[in-house]
Amino acid sequence: SQKIEQNSEALNIQEGKTATLTCNYTNYSPAYLQWYRQDPGRGPVFLLLIRENEKEKRKERLKVTFDTTLKQSLFHITASQPADSATYLCALPYNNNDMRFGAGTRLTVKP
Amino acid sequence: DAGVIQSPRHEVTEMGQEVTLRCKPISGHNSLFWYRQTMMRGLELLIYFNNNVPIDDSGMPEDRFSAKMPNASFSTLKIQPSEPRDSAVYFCASSPMGRGLGYGYTFGSGTRLTVV
Repeated sequence: SQKIEQNSEALNIQEGKTATLTCNYTNYSPAYLQWYRQDPGRGPVFLLLIRENEKEKRKERLKVTFDTTLKQSLFHITASQPADSATYLCALPYNNNDMRFGAGTRLTVKP
Repeated sequence: DAGVIQSPRHEVTEMGQEVTLRCKPISGHNSLFWYRQTMMRGLELLIYFNNNVPIDDSGMPEDRFSAKMPNASFSTLKIQPSEPRDSAVYFCASSPMGRGLGYGYTFGSGTRLTVV
């Protein structure tokens, strides 16, 4: 069966460091992958999309990589800030290109 | 744009009662999705509409759940009768395209449902 695994339930880092979150998938051949941010009591917010022919994508302090051979995406936040503390979800398209989500990684950035 | 609007924000109901959750998608978005989020199972897709037509309802847990989209600006998710295991946060999301183009979803703030 198809699975999306975000390998860390929680990640704690110090302000200013780079946070790296991992998304692994099995039994998928996605044409693209998305990352979302979710704050407590709120719905997920779309951050980035990366397509299968793109190795890397950047947006301000965010960087996403997509390795279709390893079936893995890495999500990096450089120069992290306490305001970056949230849960980050990866999502892949399913049969009808509706998105299925990983369980998320809760990131805490300590000052 | 006010974004995706869901109501109510919180709902507490007794087991056996009917519950109706409402969603107004972003104007111009032709795809609408209902998700349920719990600690145990994460975000699960319940049903997906494209141009007001249900495309995939395989995630609807059982016949107690039903969803409608009578027009492009309104959708409902109904649970009848409700059970304690239905307690979760229900999200509605919309997107400008249905298939293959990878647009990000815009989620509402969710309805936190508690069935006692």
